[in-house]
Amino acid sequence: GQQVMQIPQYQHVQEGEDFTTYCNSSTTLSNIQWYKQRPGGHPVFLIQLVKSGEVKKQKRLTFQFGEAKKNSSLHITATQTTDVGTYFCAGDKYGNKLVFGAGTILRVKS
Amino acid sequence: EAEVAQSPRYKITEKSQAVAFWCDPISGHATLYWYRQILGQGPELLVQFQDESVVDDSQLPKDRFSAERLKGVDSTLKIQPAELGDSAMYLCASSPIRQGGIQYFGAGTRLSVL
Repeated sequence: GQQVMQIPQYQHVQEGEDFTTYCNSSTTLSNIQWYKQRPGGHPVFLIQLVKSGEVKKQKRLTFQFGEAKKNSSLHITATQTTDVGTYFCAGDKYGNKLVFGAGTILRVKS
Repeated sequence: EAEVAQSPRYKITEKSQAVAFWCDPISGHATLYWYRQILGQGPELLVQFQDESVVDDSQLPKDRFSAERLKGVDSTLKIQPAELGDSAMYLCASSPIRQGGIQYFGAGTRLSVL
């Protein structure tokens, strides 16, 4: 079945450093979504990417969708303590269920 | 801002007991999801409803789990009997469209089976 892999599993950065998490699907996706889950919280939608090669920015966050629509990345510039949490990608394969990756845990040292 | 409501927030039960979780989606959202999230993993879909109908329950352990959304609004997820391996966070989410839409999650019910 469809699988979504995320790396790294965990990253600890100094405040002000950049952070990137990568997401890879075993199959071509119709769209990919990114969610953030704060410690003790629930997943909160960040963004959806639909087009091949699409790049979207939200302030310090940059999201990319690969040309083959099988991979994606989230890059945070100059991390802040408020960025702490687990970032999940979730792949949607043309009307099938949304499949979540295992997430990347981000910790920020101030 | 409208939210997905879930109760209880926490549930502790002994194995072989029955437990039930409740979810009230955002008003007007026809699609409702139940997910299970084990610590350190991403949410895993258990069941998806479109209005009152089940769209996908392929990952629902039907020998012990059941879910219903009788009037197409709120929903209940039941486990009977609970097993130790059922300890997890149970998340409910809703979406205004059937497929590919943004999902809005509730705060979840954390289940501990002793």
